[in-house]
Amino acid sequence: EPEVTQTPSHQVTQMGQEVILRCVPISNHLYFYWYRQILGQKVEFLVSFYNNEISEKSEIFDDQFSVERPDGSNFTLKIRSTKLEDSAMYFCASSSRQGSTEAFFGQGTRLTVV
Amino acid sequence: SQQGEEDPQALSIQEGENATMNCSYKTSINNLQWYRQNSGRGLVHLILIRSNEREKHSGRLRVTLDTSKKSSSLLITASRAADTASYFCATSSQGNNRLAFGKGNQVVVIP
Repeated sequence: EPEVTQTPSHQVTQMGQEVILRCVPISNHLYFYWYRQILGQKVEFLVSFYNNEISEKSEIFDDQFSVERPDGSNFTLKIRSTKLEDSAMYFCASSSRQGSTEAFFGQGTRLTVV
Repeated sequence: SQQGEEDPQALSIQEGENATMNCSYKTSINNLQWYRQNSGRGLVHLILIRSNEREKHSGRLRVTLDTSKKSSSLLITASRAADTASYFCATSSQGNNRLAFGKGNQVVVIP
Protein backbone atom coordinates (compact mmCIF):
# COMPACT_ATOMS: atom_id res chain seq x y z
CA GLU A 1 0.00 0.00 0.00
CA PRO A 2 1.44 3.41 -0.91
CA GLU A 3 2.43 5.58 2.03
CA VAL A 4 3.93 8.92 2.90
CA THR A 5 7.43 8.57 4.31
CA GLN A 6 9.27 11.09 6.44
CA THR A 7 12.89 11.39 7.46
CA PRO A 8 14.39 11.63 9.95
CA SER A 9 12.06 10.18 12.56
CA HIS A 10 13.73 12.26 15.25
CA GLN A 11 15.90 15.35 14.96
CA VAL A 12 17.63 17.19 17.78
CA THR A 13 19.02 20.60 16.98
CA GLN A 14 20.53 23.58 18.74
CA MET A 15 18.45 26.75 18.97
CA GLY A 16 19.27 29.03 16.05
CA GLN A 17 20.27 26.22 13.72
CA GLU A 18 18.57 25.45 10.44
CA VAL A 19 16.73 22.16 9.99
CA ILE A 20 15.29 20.47 6.94
CA LEU A 21 12.56 17.91 7.34
CA ARG A 22 12.02 15.60 4.42
CA CYS A 23 8.97 13.87 3.05
CA VAL A 24 8.19 11.63 0.12
CA PRO A 25 4.48 11.94 -0.65
CA ILE A 26 2.42 9.28 -2.38
CA SER A 27 3.54 9.28 -5.99
CA ASN A 28 0.34 10.18 -7.83
CA HIS A 29 -0.79 12.80 -5.32
CA LEU A 30 -0.85 16.45 -6.29
CA TYR A 31 -1.42 18.27 -2.99
CA PHE A 32 1.11 18.33 -0.20
CA TYR A 33 0.87 19.59 3.35
CA TRP A 34 2.83 20.16 6.52
CA TYR A 35 1.21 20.05 9.93
CA ARG A 36 2.71 20.16 13.38
CA GLN A 37 1.65 18.88 16.78
CA ILE A 38 3.18 20.35 19.89
CA LEU A 39 3.21 17.77 22.68
CA GLY A 40 -0.25 17.43 24.19
CA GLN A 41 -1.83 19.92 21.80
CA LYS A 42 -3.86 19.88 18.60
CA VAL A 43 -2.54 19.07 15.19
CA GLU A 44 -2.07 22.46 13.48
CA PHE A 45 -1.98 23.25 9.79
CA LEU A 46 1.18 24.93 8.54
CA VAL A 47 1.12 25.03 4.76
CA SER A 48 -0.27 23.45 1.62
CA PHE A 49 1.56 23.17 -1.69
CA TYR A 50 0.24 22.56 -5.17
CA ASN A 51 1.66 22.96 -8.65
CA ASN A 52 5.04 23.94 -7.24
CA GLU A 53 3.82 26.78 -5.13
CA ILE A 54 2.29 27.47 -1.75
CA SER A 55 -1.49 27.47 -2.05
CA GLU A 56 -2.28 28.30 1.56
CA LYS A 57 -0.39 28.94 4.76
CA SER A 58 -1.30 29.55 8.37
CA GLU A 59 -0.22 32.32 10.68
CA ILE A 60 2.32 29.90 12.17
CA PHE A 61 4.13 29.65 8.83
CA ASP A 62 6.19 32.82 9.10
CA ASP A 63 9.38 33.90 7.33
CA GLN A 64 11.38 31.32 9.26
CA PHE A 65 9.62 28.53 7.39
CA SER A 66 9.88 27.53 3.76
CA VAL A 67 8.85 24.56 1.66
CA GLU A 68 10.27 23.15 -1.49
CA ARG A 69 9.77 20.27 -3.90
CA PRO A 70 13.30 20.13 -5.28
CA ASP A 71 13.17 17.05 -7.47
CA GLY A 72 9.58 16.07 -8.15
CA SER A 73 9.45 13.46 -5.42
CA ASN A 74 10.75 14.95 -2.18
CA PHE A 75 8.84 17.65 -0.31
CA THR A 76 10.83 19.51 2.32
CA LEU A 77 10.11 21.86 5.20
CA LYS A 78 12.95 24.15 6.22
CA ILE A 79 13.10 26.08 9.46
CA ARG A 80 15.82 28.71 9.09
CA SER A 81 16.63 29.55 12.69
CA THR A 82 14.98 27.20 15.12
CA LYS A 83 13.45 28.36 18.39
CA LEU A 84 12.65 26.33 21.48
CA GLU A 85 8.95 26.63 20.69
CA ASP A 86 9.48 24.93 17.33
CA SER A 87 9.86 21.65 19.22
CA ALA A 88 6.99 19.50 17.98
CA MET A 89 6.04 16.53 15.85
CA TYR A 90 5.93 17.60 12.21
CA PHE A 91 3.66 15.67 9.88
CA CYS A 92 3.75 15.65 6.12
CA ALA A 93 0.59 14.71 4.25
CA SER A 94 -0.53 14.34 0.66
CA SER A 95 -3.84 14.02 -1.13
CA SER A 96 -4.99 13.40 -4.65
CA ARG A 97 -7.50 16.22 -4.66
CA GLN A 98 -7.96 19.40 -2.73
CA GLY A 99 -10.16 19.22 0.33
CA SER A 100 -12.66 16.69 -0.93
CA THR A 101 -10.74 13.54 -0.24
CA GLU A 102 -8.71 12.05 2.53
CA ALA A 103 -5.20 13.21 3.29
CA PHE A 104 -2.60 10.55 4.01
CA PHE A 105 -0.11 11.36 6.71
CA GLY A 106 3.43 10.26 7.30
CA GLN A 107 4.73 8.92 10.62
CA GLY A 108 6.10 12.31 11.54
CA THR A 109 9.45 13.81 12.50
CA ARG A 110 9.89 14.65 16.15
CA LEU A 111 11.90 17.87 16.28
CA THR A 112 13.56 18.76 19.57
CA VAL A 113 15.19 22.16 19.83
CA VAL A 114 17.63 22.51 22.73
CA SER B 1 -12.11 29.82 11.19
CA GLN B 2 -13.54 26.32 11.35
CA GLN B 3 -12.47 24.12 14.14
CA GLY B 4 -13.08 20.48 14.98
CA GLU B 5 -13.30 19.89 18.67
CA GLU B 6 -13.89 16.62 20.39
CA ASP B 7 -15.54 16.33 23.74
CA PRO B 8 -12.43 16.26 25.93
CA GLN B 9 -13.04 12.86 27.45
CA ALA B 10 -10.76 9.92 27.96
CA LEU B 11 -12.54 6.62 27.52
CA SER B 12 -11.54 3.45 29.26
CA ILE B 13 -13.56 0.43 28.20
CA GLN B 14 -13.41 -3.34 28.28
CA GLU B 15 -12.56 -5.27 25.16
CA GLY B 16 -15.75 -6.10 23.30
CA GLU B 17 -17.60 -2.99 24.39
CA ASN B 18 -18.48 -0.13 22.08
CA ALA B 19 -16.68 3.21 22.18
CA THR B 20 -18.39 6.44 21.20
CA MET B 21 -16.76 9.82 20.85
CA ASN B 22 -18.07 13.14 19.64
CA CYS B 23 -16.83 16.12 17.72
CA SER B 24 -18.29 19.57 17.20
CA TYR B 25 -17.27 22.29 14.81
CA LYS B 26 -18.11 25.91 14.21
CA THR B 27 -18.49 26.69 10.52
CA SER B 28 -19.78 25.13 7.30
CA ILE B 29 -17.79 22.16 6.13
CA ASN B 30 -17.16 20.20 2.97
CA ASN B 31 -16.38 17.01 4.80
CA LEU B 32 -15.33 15.66 8.17
CA GLN B 33 -12.66 13.04 8.67
CA TRP B 34 -11.65 10.88 11.59
CA TYR B 35 -8.05 9.90 12.24
CA ARG B 36 -6.39 7.58 14.72
CA GLN B 37 -3.03 8.19 16.31
CA ASN B 38 -1.19 5.57 18.30
CA SER B 39 1.12 6.96 20.94
CA GLY B 40 3.94 8.96 19.34
CA ARG B 41 3.03 7.76 15.87
CA GLY B 42 1.50 9.17 12.70
CA LEU B 43 -2.11 9.88 11.88
CA VAL B 44 -4.02 7.07 10.23
CA HIS B 45 -7.06 8.01 8.20
CA LEU B 46 -10.15 6.08 9.30
CA ILE B 47 -13.18 7.45 7.52
CA LEU B 48 -14.47 10.50 5.65
CA ILE B 49 -18.06 11.69 5.66
CA ARG B 50 -19.24 14.40 3.30
CA SER B 51 -21.49 17.25 4.31
CA ASN B 52 -24.44 15.77 2.38
CA GLU B 53 -24.12 12.41 4.14
CA ARG B 54 -25.65 11.59 7.51
CA GLU B 55 -24.13 8.24 8.32
CA LYS B 56 -21.32 6.08 7.05
CA HIS B 57 -19.95 2.67 7.96
CA SER B 58 -16.55 1.13 7.50
CA GLY B 59 -15.97 -2.23 9.15
CA ARG B 60 -16.45 -1.72 12.89
CA LEU B 61 -16.64 2.06 12.50
CA ARG B 62 -19.82 4.05 12.26
CA VAL B 63 -19.74 7.80 11.75
CA THR B 64 -22.68 10.14 11.92
CA LEU B 65 -22.83 13.77 10.88
CA ASP B 66 -25.44 16.31 11.92
CA THR B 67 -24.77 19.52 10.03
CA SER B 68 -27.64 21.31 11.76
CA LYS B 69 -25.91 20.76 15.10
CA LYS B 70 -22.44 20.95 13.59
CA SER B 71 -21.46 17.70 15.24
CA SER B 72 -20.24 14.23 14.43
CA SER B 73 -19.85 11.00 16.33
CA LEU B 74 -17.55 8.05 15.86
CA LEU B 75 -18.63 4.66 17.13
CA ILE B 76 -16.23 1.73 17.32
CA THR B 77 -18.11 -1.51 17.86
CA ALA B 78 -16.72 -4.61 19.53
CA SER B 79 -13.55 -2.83 20.59
CA ARG B 80 -10.19 -4.55 20.68
CA ALA B 81 -7.03 -3.83 22.63
CA ALA B 82 -5.46 -2.69 19.36
CA ASP B 83 -8.04 0.12 19.18
CA THR B 84 -6.25 1.84 22.07
CA ALA B 85 -5.23 5.20 20.59
CA SER B 86 -6.15 8.86 20.30
CA TYR B 87 -8.92 9.69 17.87
CA PHE B 88 -9.15 13.04 16.11
CA CYS B 89 -11.79 14.60 13.97
CA ALA B 90 -10.74 17.06 11.28
CA THR B 91 -12.88 19.29 9.10
CA SER B 92 -12.36 20.61 5.61
CA SER B 93 -14.31 23.45 4.07
CA GLN B 94 -15.05 24.28 0.44
CA GLY B 95 -12.14 25.85 -1.36
CA ASN B 96 -9.94 25.44 1.65
CA ASN B 97 -6.79 23.36 1.66
CA ARG B 98 -6.39 22.91 5.35
CA LEU B 99 -7.77 20.36 7.78
CA ALA B 100 -8.79 21.78 11.15
CA PHE B 101 -8.17 19.20 13.85
CA GLY B 102 -9.80 18.77 17.21
CA LYS B 103 -7.97 18.04 20.44
CA GLY B 104 -8.42 14.30 20.30
CA ASN B 105 -10.05 11.63 22.45
CA GLN B 106 -7.88 9.11 24.26
CA VAL B 107 -9.41 5.64 24.15
CA VAL B 108 -8.02 2.79 26.22
CA VAL B 109 -9.37 -0.70 25.59
CA ILE B 110 -8.63 -3.08 28.44
CA PRO B 111 -8.09 -6.69 27.37
